[in-house]
Amino acid sequence: DAKTTQPTSMDCAEGRAANLPCNHSTISGNEYVYWYRQIHSQGPQYIIHGLKNNETNEMASLIITEDRKSSTLILPHATLRDTAVYYCIVRVALHGAQKLVFGQGTRLTINP
Amino acid sequence: EPEVTQTPSHQVTQMGQEVILRCVPISNHLYFYWYRQILGQKVEFLVSFYNNEISEKSEIFDDQFSVERPDGSNFTLKIRSTKLEDSAMYFCASTRATNEKLFFGSGTQLSVL
Repeated sequence: DAKTTQPTSMDCAEGRAANLPCNHSTISGNEYVYWYRQIHSQGPQYIIHGLKNNETNEMASLIITEDRKSSTLILPHATLRDTAVYYCIVRVALHGAQKLVFGQGTRLTINP
Repeated sequence: EPEVTQTPSHQVTQMGQEVILRCVPISNHLYFYWYRQILGQKVEFLVSFYNNEISEKSEIFDDQFSVERPDGSNFTLKIRSTKLEDSAMYFCASTRATNEKLFFGSGTQLSVL
């Protein structure tokens, strides 16, 4: 699986949009970009994923550059409950139980 | 939303003892995983399981570890002879298909004394 690079930590004011970048310059054509988060010591929680088109769901938006070498997760109106470690993961969707490989992620702190 | 259920939430054991961590994946899911997270460290993959056999395992998953799906609903992780360094939060996860999201349980905190 391709390696990802994320900032170690970020801060954002409550109510503002949080934009979390991720570099995945060695991504292959058949690799998806996934975002998960981990609030305190809870189990990782799925946020969103995409292949090459931008995606939006009730939690967030995912913007993938045209060359697919980087992406940005956008939390449009951050709340205090969005304080968590956010993981950007690239993963091949082949037949079989393809694992997720977690890096260190970005520790996002939402400030009142 | 459906949930992956893990029991117990906390397990304390003596070094050298066997422990079994239990998970109930989401009912229509086909792929199952165990991960662990040592305090302050990243989430690490242990093993994946599909069609009643191990698909992949990491270096951590040595002969002391085993997994089983004994009855079509439970998915267990057994550590035969626990070591101090096995102390960690263990997460179970499941998914319906390989390109879909993984659902994680809330974890079992294992403390080996």
